[in-house]
Amino acid sequence: ETGVTQTPRHLVMGMTNKKSLKCEQHLGHNAMYWYKQSAKKPLELMFVYSLEERVENNSVPSRFSPECPNSSHLFLHLHTLQPEDSALYLCASSQAWVGVGNTIYFGEGSWLTVV
Amino acid sequence: GNSVTQMEGPVTLSEEAFLTINCTYTATGYPSLFWYVQYPGEGLQLLLKATKADDKGSNKGFEATYRKETTSFHLEKGSVQVSDSAVYFCALLAGGTSYGKLTFGQGTILTVHP
Repeated sequence: ETGVTQTPRHLVMGMTNKKSLKCEQHLGHNAMYWYKQSAKKPLELMFVYSLEERVENNSVPSRFSPECPNSSHLFLHLHTLQPEDSALYLCASSQAWVGVGNTIYFGEGSWLTVV
Repeated sequence: GNSVTQMEGPVTLSEEAFLTINCTYTATGYPSLFWYVQYPGEGLQLLLKATKADDKGSNKGFEATYRKETTSFHLEKGSVQVSDSAVYFCALLAGGTSYGKLTFGQGTILTVHP
């Protein structure tokens, strides 16, 4: 139990579907992240919200749309995805204003398969 | 820019063998250093961390020492178990920003046989 909960853990969707991934953190943090982990590729930072404001969008295609309604919840809305978007999507959280000793904690991930 | 380099895997060991996974980094300033572990089918778990030079992080029998002079943070364990089979990621976190931007190594796959 890391304090960062992701749902669903597994998702299969067609290319024309619309679905959402949800993340909730119980650590009192105020920064949240989406990472993508594909086979044989490094971990990729997708989006960052700090104090509920999006502070990074790492050249992610518009078919991925993040939403951060409050500091405890983060969503990734998915629509018209491609098979190459199949991957493990990891949510993470930390305190904002990173200083010495700060740590980023990850959830268990959501395995996405696009068919 | 910041970068992390880990030893190439996969690493295959017998149970009770000694483990070393090398990690070196390049960074400006004074980053924090981390080892994360990913068990099969799971997300990333923080294994240990160190926040300043000569700090030693330790957890579950694993250790790593922050060596500024060699810019290294090698992971060691004296006696591995089958349950240690996983992917290990070295990472650094540069401070002074409004959020944490981790720089990861490429990951090292460890397989431990009985």
